Amino acid sequence: DVKVTQSSRYLVKRTGEKVFLECVQDMDHENMFWYRQDPGLGLRLIYFSYDVKMKEKGDIPEGYSVSREKKERFSLILESASTNQTSMYLCAAKGGATEAFFGQGTRLTVV
Amino acid sequence: EDQVTQSPEALRLQEGESSSLNCSYTVSGLRGLFWYRQDPGKGPEFLFTLYSAGEEKEKERLKATLTKKESFLHITAPKPEDSATYLCAVGRGSNYKLTFGKGTLLTVNP
Repeated sequence: DVKVTQSSRYLVKRTGEKVFLECVQDMDHENMFWYRQDPGLGLRLIYFSYDVKMKEKGDIPEGYSVSREKKERFSLILESASTNQTSMYLCAAKGGATEAFFGQGTRLTVV
Repeated sequence: EDQVTQSPEALRLQEGESSSLNCSYTVSGLRGLFWYRQDPGKGPEFLFTLYSAGEEKEKERLKATLTKKESFLHITAPKPEDSATYLCAVGRGSNYKLTFGKGTLLTVNP
């Protein structure tokens, strides 16, 4: 099985801070995704990447950016954290038509 | 625009009481329909992939089916450990972008 590892389970950051969420996969999957999950809203796609240095906006990219310098690593950046970015963040890796594998999630609280 | 709607939002069953969860979808060029299980505070765990209408997959007490407009997750004689949120997602496009439904919260009482 593909293993997807997110750098932190829990994070607490202050408003205005620049926040980095890291995700690493241990297989050679082309596609990687960042979602946020909120009660009543489900999983919403922030960004995805289909190759190194390639990225595409998802449904809610505002306030976020991403970086993919190596195939196995996909980073989500909150340029200036705000309280409405408090959420569960989930990273996933997917190889073409196969299923997506998720990390364990990062619960981010912005105070 | 892709749409995935899951129903019911929440379902409470007694142990052994079989039922079904529904996932209806609108997507252009379906590249797979995926079912996941998610426990509280954890990432979704993959269950099934279905690619074409008429396809069925089974795993223990779970069986997933697919038509051209919807998918069902049938749960036979559920146990309390089947309690979780069940998520449905559709993939489309050359990059297989995934769109998720909001999930069904299943509670199985002993």
